[in-house]
Parts: sequence; C-alpha cells; structure tokens
Amino acid sequence: GAGVSQSPRYKVAKRGQDVALRCDPISGHVSLFWYQQALGQGPEFLTYFQNEAQLDKSGLPSDRFFAERPEGSVSTLKIQRTQQEDSAVYLCATREPGLAGSSSYNEQFFGPGTRLTVL
Amino acid sequence: KQEVTQIPAALSVPEGENLVLNCSFTDSAIYNLQWFRQDPGKGLTSLLLIQSSQREQTSGRLNASLDKSSGRSTLYIAASQPGDSATYLCGAGSYQLTFGKGTKLSVIP
Repeated sequence: GAGVSQSPRYKVAKRGQDVALRCDPISGHVSLFWYQQALGQGPEFLTYFQNEAQLDKSGLPSDRFFAERPEGSVSTLKIQRTQQEDSAVYLCATREPGLAGSSSYNEQFFGPGTRLTVL
Repeated sequence: KQEVTQIPAALSVPEGENLVLNCSFTDSAIYNLQWFRQDPGKGLTSLLLIQSSQREQTSGRLNASLDKSSGRSTLYIAASQPGDSATYLCGAGSYQLTFGKGTKLSVIP
C-alpha cells in the first residue's frame, strides 16, 4: 500500500478485556516500531522489530503488553486485561533498510494510529 | 536516558510571519533527528530528517538545523499559512526516537 495502515482506528474496551491492534507496514520496510501517545504528550517508544525479530521491547509498560510480527510483515500489539491507564493512541511506524555500514537511519513513517479507550 | 524538550508549548502567529520552533535533547549521541507535524486525530507526518552527519535540511518553506554539540535543533517556517496550523513534534535518537511534547502552532488568517 501507499502508507502504513492500522486497524481498527478506534477501539472501546471494557476494563479487563483483551484487545489486539494491527499494523500493516509499507512494503519493503523491515523495521517496525510501536509507540504509545497519551493525550497532550509526544509518542513514547514501546517496541521495535527488524523483520520478524523483536530486538527491543524495553518500552512495554507491563507484561500485559505483547507484540508480534511472525512473518516479518504485519504486526499485532496485544494488550491483555486492559486497564483505564492503557487508554491512549497506539501508533505504528516503519522504516526502510539503510545502506550497510551507514551510521544513520532512514526516516520513520507513521500510520494513523488506533485510539484505544478503556472504560 | 534521552530527554527531548520543545519550546514553546504553543505559538500563535499572524499569517505571513516567519517563525522558529525549538527542540533540545540531552544525549548528543544521536543518529537522527526528525521533525513531524500532527493534525488533530491523525498520525505523524514526516517533514524533515536530519542525519547525524548533516547540519540542516530544507523542504520548501521549511528549514531544519541540527547542532549536536549543543543538543539543539530548530525548525524554521517561512511565510506561515493557516494550513501550517498543527502540532509540531521533534524526535531524536538512534533506531528508535524519543519525542518532545510538541509545539502547537496556530496561524491566524
């Protein structure tokens, strides 16, 4: 597709429910990121994949958060037993591979986000 | 831990004015600095990427500079237009970005 797509765009969950958020990356983008954006704040890093490998999950706030990218393309962020503090916009970003040996990275492209509201 | 600060938090200017948005970061060992705009209820739109070896980048009416030694970047917008109204975010880092809270810009017709 032309850009990063995310679904659903909006999700309302009752406290304690499990949710799954999907990210479809730009074709050929091997790097994929999940960020969480609370109201009035900048995005905060959650986790990073290169192809199917999850190389950094240091930003996941608790063990209720789980992300996967089994075939190195589509990624799913799962939140178990949702809590009200999980309410936020979840953003996915992808990036094409850079040149071997480069000391910099290419730009990240963001999807429209999924707005999660936990009641 | 990288911390990014954006000043001012909000800015209102009349149409046609030139303006500067500021971004400062605490860890100068960054690989990239990227500027984005975010419209209400939308995702982030990439504006400019400055790689670690670069000092500035330009796109149309936008010019971004990077001074790693002082931990600062600026985004200059020339001849502002009402369509420029949005929140502007800077992200600094390596493979992942650390963001500031953004500057909310309003351009008044």
